[in-house]
Amino acid sequence: DTAVSQTPKYLVTQMGNDKSIKCEQNLGHDTMYWYKQDSKKFLKIMFSYNNKELIINETVPNRFSPKSPDKAHLNLHINSLELGDSAVYFCASSPTAGGGNIQYFGAGTRLSVL
Amino acid sequence: DQQVKQNSPSLSVQEGRISILNCDYTNSMFDYFLWYKKYPAEGPTFLISISSIKDKNEDGRFTVFLNKSAKHLSLHIVPSQPGDSAVYFCAASRYYGGSQGNLIFGKGTKLSVKP
Repeated sequence: DTAVSQTPKYLVTQMGNDKSIKCEQNLGHDTMYWYKQDSKKFLKIMFSYNNKELIINETVPNRFSPKSPDKAHLNLHINSLELGDSAVYFCASSPTAGGGNIQYFGAGTRLSVL
Repeated sequence: DQQVKQNSPSLSVQEGRISILNCDYTNSMFDYFLWYKKYPAEGPTFLISISSIKDKNEDGRFTVFLNKSAKHLSLHIVPSQPGDSAVYFCAASRYYGGSQGNLIFGKGTKLSVKP
C-alpha cells in the first residue's frame, strides 16, 4: 500500500483551464502539505493543513486553493492555469505539525501547461 | 535568498568509497536538519536527521555531521553503493515554534556511484 498517493501522476493541459490534483495518506498523520518543485529544482512549500485546518499559506497566487475534506486527504485546485504553473507538485504528510517531524512524500504530479 | 544551499550540483564516486555531500544554511534559527533521497519519477524519501543539540547522527552506512558554528552539515555514505545513485536534498526547519514544520530545502546534489 502506498503511504502517500497522488493522482494524476501526469497532467497536460491548456492555459486558462482549471485542474485538480488529489492526495491521500494512509499513515494516520494529522498534517498534510503541498510542495512545488519548479524548473530550478527547488522544493518550496505552498500549503499545510493540520486536522483539516490551514496552518501554512506561503505566498501562493489565490488561483491555488487547497481543500481538505478530512485529515487523510488534501486536494489542490488550480484555476486559470498559466505557463508558469508548470512544475512537479508533491504532497506530503507528517504525524503532527511543527518542526522536528519527518515528512513523507508522494511520488509527485508533473503538471505541464501548454 | 536561499537559506539552505547545496553548492555541488553533482558528485561522482567509485563504488565502495566514501560519498560526502555538503549543505550550508544561513538562518541561525534552524535547529532540525534532514536529508532526503530522491530517485527519478519518485517523491523524496527520508534518509536521516539531526537536531541542533547533537553534532553527529549515524544510521548504518549513513552519518550526518552538524557544525553549528559554521552553519554546515554533511552527509557521509560509507561504503557507497550503486543503488545510492540519486539526488540528495538537505532540508532545515525550526524544531520549536516557527512556521509550523516548514521545511526549507536545498537545491539537491545528484550522486552517481560508479561500479
